[in-house]
Amino acid sequence: KAGVTQTPRYLIKTRGQQVTLSCSPISGHRSVSWYQQTPGQGLQFLFEYFSETQRNKGNFPGRFSGRQFSNSRSEMNVSTLELGDSALYLCASRPGQGYGYTFGSGTRLTVV
Amino acid sequence: AQSVTQLGSHVSVSEGALVLLRCNYSSSVPPYLFWYVQYPNQGLQLLLKYTSAATLVKGINGFEAEFKKSETSFHLTKPSAHMSDAAEYFCAVSQGANDYKLSFGAGTTVTVRA
Repeated sequence: KAGVTQTPRYLIKTRGQQVTLSCSPISGHRSVSWYQQTPGQGLQFLFEYFSETQRNKGNFPGRFSGRQFSNSRSEMNVSTLELGDSALYLCASRPGQGYGYTFGSGTRLTVV
Repeated sequence: AQSVTQLGSHVSVSEGALVLLRCNYSSSVPPYLFWYVQYPNQGLQLLLKYTSAATLVKGINGFEAEFKKSETSFHLTKPSAHMSDAAEYFCAVSQGANDYKLSFGAGTTVTVRA
């Protein structure tokens, strides 16, 4: 059974650009969440999607957005990149409520 | 609101010795609790979870954790450390039925000495 797949694994962008990260959840998993991991702030919740609807969002500026498609695949977008957006972005999926999340290997974003 | 405190950012153990990682939580409702492990340049792997069933939870790779409501703790243990246990470990909490969001502790890095 394939795990959670995130692409690309590594990304280098310039300040002011925008970026789109992709996540393919485990087959049958309808809930997808995104987390940002940095050395200073640790793991922080970005948003959660279920059946193409964003149900919850963390305390991040509007530059961070996302969506989920009918096949449960999800994308997150960050516009007007700042140096502080450099981080490991992790996607996680699960079948539904009460289950633990399975995480992908992450996308390492570096903003220069 | 929910939060997690992991005591000790670094733990060093000898191979074969007991591994004990401490986690205390706060939650306004019955919590779900998790331990994840992260190897370098990898995502998070679920070790075990507590979701209001048995208080002693057994996970993968020989790890187990005990939920103690009176102490608001969920400490992770492994009787005998192996070199492959060297990694960063995260305790996380979610709020029971409203469990979409995981709140993570700051993490504990485990070093295993030969």
